[in-house]
Formats: sequence, C-alpha cells, structure tokens
Amino acid sequence: GAGVSQSPSNKVTEKGKDVELRCDPISGHTALYWYRQSLGQGLEFLIYFQGNSAPDKSGLPSDRFSAERTGGSVSTLTIQRTQQEDSAVYLCASSLATGVGQETQYFGPGTRLLVL
Amino acid sequence: QQQVKQSPQSLIVQKGGISIINCAYENTAFDYFPWYQQFPGKGPALLIAIRPDVSEKKEGRFTISFNKSAKQFSLHIMDSQPGDSATYFCAASGHLLYSSASKIIFGSGTRLSIRP
Repeated sequence: GAGVSQSPSNKVTEKGKDVELRCDPISGHTALYWYRQSLGQGLEFLIYFQGNSAPDKSGLPSDRFSAERTGGSVSTLTIQRTQQEDSAVYLCASSLATGVGQETQYFGPGTRLLVL
Repeated sequence: QQQVKQSPQSLIVQKGGISIINCAYENTAFDYFPWYQQFPGKGPALLIAIRPDVSEKKEGRFTISFNKSAKQFSLHIMDSQPGDSATYFCAASGHLLYSSASKIIFGSGTRLSIRP
C-alpha cells in the first residue's frame, strides 16, 4: 500500500480481555515503531523494531504489553488482561532506517482502543 | 537529558497572525529536528525539519528557527489559516544515539487553533 495501515481502526473491549493491534508498514521500511497517545496528550514511545528484532522495548509500560514482527513487515501489538488505563490511540510508524539518521517516520491512522 | 520540552500546550491565534511554538532540548548529540503536524483522527505527518548546521529553514508559510547555543528551536507559521488548526509536535533524534534507525523523541505537543 501507499502508506502505513493499522487495524482495527477502533476497538472496544471489556476489562480483562486480551487485544491484538496490527500494523502494516510501508513496503521496504525496515524500522517500525509503536507509540501510545492518550486523549489530548503527546506521543509515548512503546517499542521499536529493526527488521524482526526489537532492540528497544524500553517504553512498554508493563509485562501485559508485548509486540512481535514477522518477515520484516507486519507487526502485532498485544495487550493482555486489558485495564481501563490502557484506553488510548495506538499509533504505528515506519521508516527506511538507512543508518544515517534524519529519517522521516510515516505514521498510520492509529487504533483507538477503549477498555470498558 | 533525552527530553524535548515544548510550549505552549495550547495556542489560539487570529487568522492572518503568526503562530509561534517553542521547543528546547538538552542532549547535544541530537542532530535532526523535525516538526510533525497532526489533525484530529489522523496520525502525525512530517511538516518540516532542520539540521543544526543551519539557523533557519523556510518552506512556504512555515519556518523553523534554530539556536544551537541555546539548544532551542521554534516553529513559526506566518499568515496562519483556519486549516492550520492542528496539534504540532516538535521532535529530536540523533543517529549516534540510537543504533541505525532514528528513534525520535517527541515533545508533548501544542494544540493550535486559528480563529477566523
């Protein structure tokens, strides 16, 4: 596709249930990022992938959060035993990762998660 | 030391006026400073970016002013229009800091409203 796509666009779940959020990066982009944006707030970094490996997981807020990336492409962010404070917009971005920095991150439209 | 501090949190400007958003950073290893624009319901998108070897960059009505010694940079929107109403994020990255891809540190965002 032409841009980063995310699914679902909206997700409503009950407290305690598990959810999976999907990100399809731009073809050829080796770097992939997950962010969380709470209502009216800034971007909270969660995790970054280079290829299929995740050299930086420092932003994951708890062990209920995990992410994987397969084939250097699609990534899935999983939240187990969701809590109401997990309600937010989860944004995915990708970049070329040429190794010289100054790379633009291209964002998807986000998944709006509401935990009841 | 990895933070990027952004102000103001919100800003209201009359149509035709100049919108100014300020950011400051601590880590001198940052070497790339992008600004992202986010409309409601959308992911952020790159607006304009600057490297620290120049003091100003202009693209249309948007200008970044960069003060390396003060470790500050700002976004100026000239002749502000209602269509500029969005949330703006400053950011910083440093390819020497974060492996081969550009981990970007985002500011907390400024919600800009342009009054007709």
